[in-house]
Amino acid sequence: DTEVTQTPKHLVMGMTNKKSLKCEQHMGHRAMYWYKQKAKKPPELMFVYSYEKLSINESVPSRFSPECPNSSLLNLHLHALQPEDSALYLCASSQGWPSSYEQYFGPGTRLTVT
Amino acid sequence: DQQVKQNSPSLSVQEGRISILNCDYTNSMFDYFLWYKKYPAEGPTFLISISSIKDKNEDGRFTVFLNKSAKHLSLHIVPSQPGDSAVYFCAASATSGTYKYIFGTGTRLKVLA
Repeated sequence: DTEVTQTPKHLVMGMTNKKSLKCEQHMGHRAMYWYKQKAKKPPELMFVYSYEKLSINESVPSRFSPECPNSSLLNLHLHALQPEDSALYLCASSQGWPSSYEQYFGPGTRLTVT
Repeated sequence: DQQVKQNSPSLSVQEGRISILNCDYTNSMFDYFLWYKKYPAEGPTFLISISSIKDKNEDGRFTVFLNKSAKHLSLHIVPSQPGDSAVYFCAASATSGTYKYIFGTGTRLKVLA
């Protein structure tokens, strides 16, 4: 099973809302990632978790708050977002970090901030 | 500053012919490279990788070539099939550094039946 699942698939939220994106993998991977992808742009790394601890934060604004409750789950809590935060948010996992293992991606959550 | 570039935004190829997708990078610290395929409404799917200690890696219809001196890699798909129509991203990482993937901007491949 090489599946990474993400919920919801689509999310529309206002600038004052609080919402969460969820990601799950059952491959026994110990590293999980959040990426942001704008239209016609490559995915950009936001956060890396290794063994449930935050390893990398790519200077992401605090209105994005990641959480890794256990080795299979990764959340991204959203609060007071701006319209320019509208994008596809991708979760990925790999066997470990830091490493050159390939990353397996979920289908993404398409977020629209109104 | 785009460290990984895919200069062809799109490519059309006849079914059965070879598709060649190109990727250039600027950071000489990059030593591990990957190709991903992305269908609409899906996440990127890993295709093939290559380490800088090799100059070629094959997996079925997919072959990746690496030219370190030119800082260039290419993905060859032979023979191309309509199901290969997708956006292809190359990605690079520095295993002596942060191991972060830096993605190229993608090439949309259309295989014509």
